[in-house]
Amino acid sequence: NAGVTQTPKFRILKIGQSMTLQCTQDMNHNYMYWYRQDPGMGLKLIYYSVGAGITDKGEVPNGYNVSRSTTEDFPLRLELAAPSQTSVYFCASSLTLSQPQHFGDGTRLSIL
Amino acid sequence: QQPVQSPQAVILREGEDAVINCSSSKALYSVHWYRQKHGEAPVFLMILLKGGEQKGHEKISASFNEKKQQSSLYLTASQLSYSGTYFCGTEAHPDKLIFGTGTRLQVFP
Repeated sequence: NAGVTQTPKFRILKIGQSMTLQCTQDMNHNYMYWYRQDPGMGLKLIYYSVGAGITDKGEVPNGYNVSRSTTEDFPLRLELAAPSQTSVYFCASSLTLSQPQHFGDGTRLSIL
Repeated sequence: QQPVQSPQAVILREGEDAVINCSSSKALYSVHWYRQKHGEAPVFLMILLKGGEQKGHEKISASFNEKKQQSSLYLTASQLSYSGTYFCGTEAHPDKLIFGTGTRLQVFP
């Protein structure tokens, strides 16, 4: 099993550009999450989903959008990239909230 | 809303013990603990559900005091492999896990 797969691993964007960070899991998990982690800091929840068709905001949702059309995929979209969005983005999944979260390897995003 | 961890950093010699605390201002359904090594993704350690239970994982164990809205992670006879940043995650709202500020642990020979 691949677990949680994130693409791309690295990306450099210019201010104002848009992009989609991809996340897919093959464990048939209902719950999926997007976090951002700034250098030397903790994980901040951006958006989460408890199942296909259901998404909700986390702690820091501004500037991002998500969709969950299938159980496997949970893409994160940045519409107008800003330097403040430079960060490492982690996608994670779990069967329920009371089960372990499995993390992807992360996407390192720089906006210049 | 973000849980507060203490201490912020710990330096140990191999074989020494450490305690990491996690405190929330809200009533909690559960507490999760994860460890992250530099440049890697967080890795699950354990989950504690409300009820004050204590869990163990080799020489790492944790407790959850529901009334005090606190959890503690106990690392016994530390090994070099224990180095990393430890995060607690608290479930104060159904379906939403909020991670703490992190505690950086360094173990030296």
